[in-house]
Amino acid sequence: EPEVTQTPSHQVTQMGQEVILRCVPISNHLYFYWYRQILGQKVEFLVSFYNNEISEKSEIFDDQFSVERPDGSNFTLKIRSTKLEDSAMYFCASTKTVSGELFFGEGSRLTVL
Amino acid sequence: GQQLNQSPQSMFIQEGEDVSMNCTSSSIFNTWLWYKQDPGEGPVLLIALYKAGELTSNGRLTAQFGITRKDSFLNISASIPSDVGIYFCAGQLARASGGSYIPTFGRGTSLIVHP
Repeated sequence: EPEVTQTPSHQVTQMGQEVILRCVPISNHLYFYWYRQILGQKVEFLVSFYNNEISEKSEIFDDQFSVERPDGSNFTLKIRSTKLEDSAMYFCASTKTVSGELFFGEGSRLTVL
Repeated sequence: GQQLNQSPQSMFIQEGEDVSMNCTSSSIFNTWLWYKQDPGEGPVLLIALYKAGELTSNGRLTAQFGITRKDSFLNISASIPSDVGIYFCAGQLARASGGSYIPTFGRGTSLIVHP
């Protein structure tokens, strides 16, 4: 069964460092998303991406965040200068249609020290 | 944005018991979704509801889309140990409604099932 894959599964970084989280969405999906989940809290929307551009973003997705689809398969989330409060589980998701079922990856746990 | 209130926050039950959890919102949604998250994994869709009043089952799971479009519940019958996890509701608007189609998630219900 096709699935969304994410790497790394866990990353520990120092505050102020740049981090890139990688995702490979399901191959025939067109809409891509990043969500984050701070430990013990709800899943929060960060950004959606379609046709090589951001289609929607939340207040959390400030100038420190960026997304990119550098090739035909990868979808990346970059945090330019990490803060302690960026520590969370980051989930990538993809859908075939704009309102279709979200398929989530297993997540990348980011720990900022 | 929309806020979802999901309750209860956690449940500790014995194997074989039935479980009920619900979500309410101050605004309406066109779609209600229920996800389960196992430890260390991403959420997986359990049930999707597209119409007010709709009652849908998936095995031992039953979910309903409230008539007011502002609430939904999920029931699990005859719970088993593998039902352990966090259950999230999510509400979604259609583009035609003028709102974001991005699902808004509740805070989750943590379910623990004792054998």
